[in-house]
Amino acid sequence: DQQVKQNSPSLSVQEGRISILNCDYTNSMFDYFLWYKKYPAEGPTFLISISSIKDKNEDGRFTVFLNKSAKHLSLHIVPSQPGDSAVYFCAATFSGGYNKLIFGAGTRLAVHP
Amino acid sequence: DADVTQTPRNRITKTGKRIMLECSQTKGHDRMYWYRQDPGLGLRLIYYSFDVKDINKGEISDGYSVSRQAQAKFSLSLESAIPNQTALYFCATSEEGTGEEETQYFGPGTRLLVL
Repeated sequence: DQQVKQNSPSLSVQEGRISILNCDYTNSMFDYFLWYKKYPAEGPTFLISISSIKDKNEDGRFTVFLNKSAKHLSLHIVPSQPGDSAVYFCAATFSGGYNKLIFGAGTRLAVHP
Repeated sequence: DADVTQTPRNRITKTGKRIMLECSQTKGHDRMYWYRQDPGLGLRLIYYSFDVKDINKGEISDGYSVSRQAQAKFSLSLESAIPNQTALYFCATSEEGTGEEETQYFGPGTRLLVL
C-alpha cells in the first residue's frame, strides 16, 4: 500500500508559467516532507522541505504548501524554466531519530519554450 | 568532487552471479542508505545503517546484504542475482537528527542489468 502518492506521472508546462506538482499521503504520523528533483543519469537532489508545523515554505521560485487536514502537499514553481524539466519526487518521514524516507513514484515535468 | 560516489555506474551480470555495489561519502555523515528505483514505484529502501555497528533492513531487503566497512563506506551485495533485481540503485547519506537533518544526499546511481 503506497503511503505517498503522486497521481500525475507527467506534467507539461509552458516556460514562464506556473508548475504545480501534487502529492498525497495516507499516514498521519508523517511530520516532515521533502521534494527531490532528478535529472537523467544523476541521483535525486534535495529541493525543498516543510515541517508539519508549517503550511508553507518558500525558496526562490519554489514554494511547498502543506494541507494536513487533506494530507496533501504541493510544489509550485514560478516561473517555470526549461532547466526545471526533471522528475520530481515527493517524500515523507517521521521525526524521532528514524530517517526513513517514503517516496512517491515521481512526476516528470517538461517545461517547453 | 562529488560528496557521494558509487561504483560501478553501470553493470551487466548474469543470473546467479554475486555482485557488489559500492558507495563512498566525504560528507562525514553517520547514516547511509541503499535504495532501488523501478519505473512507477519511486525509490524503495533496501537497507540502512546509522553507524558502523548498526545495520537495519528496509522494506525490500530479501536477496540483498550489506556491509558497513567504515563510516564513509557502505556496500550492497546481491548474493545470487536474479532478473527482477534489474533496477537503478542509489546510495544516500544523512546526518543524525530531526527535521532538516533528515535531508538525504544521494549518489549518482548504479544501473544494474541482470540477464
